[in-house]
Amino acid sequence: DTEVTQTPKHLVMGMTNKKSLKCEQHMGHRAMYWYKQKAKKPPELMFVYSYEKLSINESVPSRFSPECPNSSLLNLHLHALQPEDSALYLCASSQVVGDTQYFGPGTRLTVL
Amino acid sequence: QKEVEQNSGPLSVPEGAIASLNCTYSDRGSQSFFWYRQYSGKSPELIMSIYSNGDKEDGRFTAQLNKASQYVSLLIRDSQPSDSATYLCAVSTGNQFYFGTGTSLTVIP
Repeated sequence: DTEVTQTPKHLVMGMTNKKSLKCEQHMGHRAMYWYKQKAKKPPELMFVYSYEKLSINESVPSRFSPECPNSSLLNLHLHALQPEDSALYLCASSQVVGDTQYFGPGTRLTVL
Repeated sequence: QKEVEQNSGPLSVPEGAIASLNCTYSDRGSQSFFWYRQYSGKSPELIMSIYSNGDKEDGRFTAQLNKASQYVSLLIRDSQPSDSATYLCAVSTGNQFYFGTGTSLTVIP
């Protein structure tokens, strides 16, 4: 089983809202990732968690706040987003950092 | 220089032909190499991984790796319209994972 799940599938929020994206995997992977992808561009790495600790933060604005409550779950808390933050947000996991990554279906975020 | 480079395409091939997708990378210490397929609006799906020089075949797909030339390719035999997608090359150095910009492939019936 190489399934990564993400909820919600779609999210529309205003610039003053607070929302969260969720990601879950039950493959025993110890690395989890958040990516942002704009149309016709490759995925852009945002955060990497390794053994539940944040190991990479690619200079992401503080309006994005990741959280890894346990080895199976990864959240991305959103606050005061801008319209340019509208994108497909992808979660991925791998056995360890640098290993094959498996992606969830993504959350399509629209900021109004 | 980008870590991973791909021709953005678009690449068009007729149905039944061989599609050839290419990728070069800059870090000689790269250890693992991956091809992902991404349909429009969907998430990337792993097609193949390759770790050592030579060819690796899986059904209609063959990945080729040449570490001396820092080059990895993907051949799709008997291309089908359902193969129309963006193909992302990815390279791992062990603690970093880099994606290329992707090549858009269209298979014409």
